[in-house]
Amino acid sequence: QVHLVESGGGVVQPGRSLRLSCAASGFTLSSHNMHWVRQAPGKGLDWVAVVFYDGSAKFYGDSVKGRFTISRDSSKNVLYLYMNSLGPDDTALYHCAREDGSPGGFDVWGQGTMVTVSS
Amino acid sequence: QAGLTQPPSVSKDLSQTATLTCTGNSNNVGDEGASWLQQHQGHPPKLLSYRNNNRPSGISERFSALRSGNTASLTIIGLQPEDEAVYYCSAWDSSLNTWVFGGGTKLTVL
Repeated sequence: QVHLVESGGGVVQPGRSLRLSCAASGFTLSSHNMHWVRQAPGKGLDWVAVVFYDGSAKFYGDSVKGRFTISRDSSKNVLYLYMNSLGPDDTALYHCAREDGSPGGFDVWGQGTMVTVSS
Repeated sequence: QAGLTQPPSVSKDLSQTATLTCTGNSNNVGDEGASWLQQHQGHPPKLLSYRNNNRPSGISERFSALRSGNTASLTIIGLQPEDEAVYYCSAWDSSLNTWVFGGGTKLTVL
């Protein structure tokens, strides 16, 4: 069974940092492009970042560029998202997602971890 | 990043056919094509098709996707109550090196 399980969300004050984790099982992270996608309450999907399967490239959405960093630990099969300088607009449910093909489609999703930025 | 354009809502009768559209440009939809996701309230999205009309295993043949130029479409035949959901298109933008999503179309089955 292929699974993704996110963790690390919570309530954080504006300007602070947070690290999200995504544990993968049933497949190897380094075989797929891996993404973070977020969804603010009641809103649509917002692509955050990707790390290519071979680690050759990482790309970010405009709204998080320079503040967020995507990385992975292949030995643990875990994907991370380091988030700095958080603001209210970063409040969202953060999903990790696997991409099948390159480019392909997001074929496996985690349930998400909620990040709330509030003072 | 510039997003893809989807109509906010579509309503169709039970057992009828719905066609949802998604418009981008030559750097995203018109380049590598689009994928389609279905999201029910309170659940993560589910992949319906990718690279225009490749269906993951387990996805009903009632769902089919096409691309014409910079516009992608998802057709759902024989609408069922469980098809009521929000549908998102997405594509890789080779010019921006970002993925872009449409705003989503809320499909109501009457």
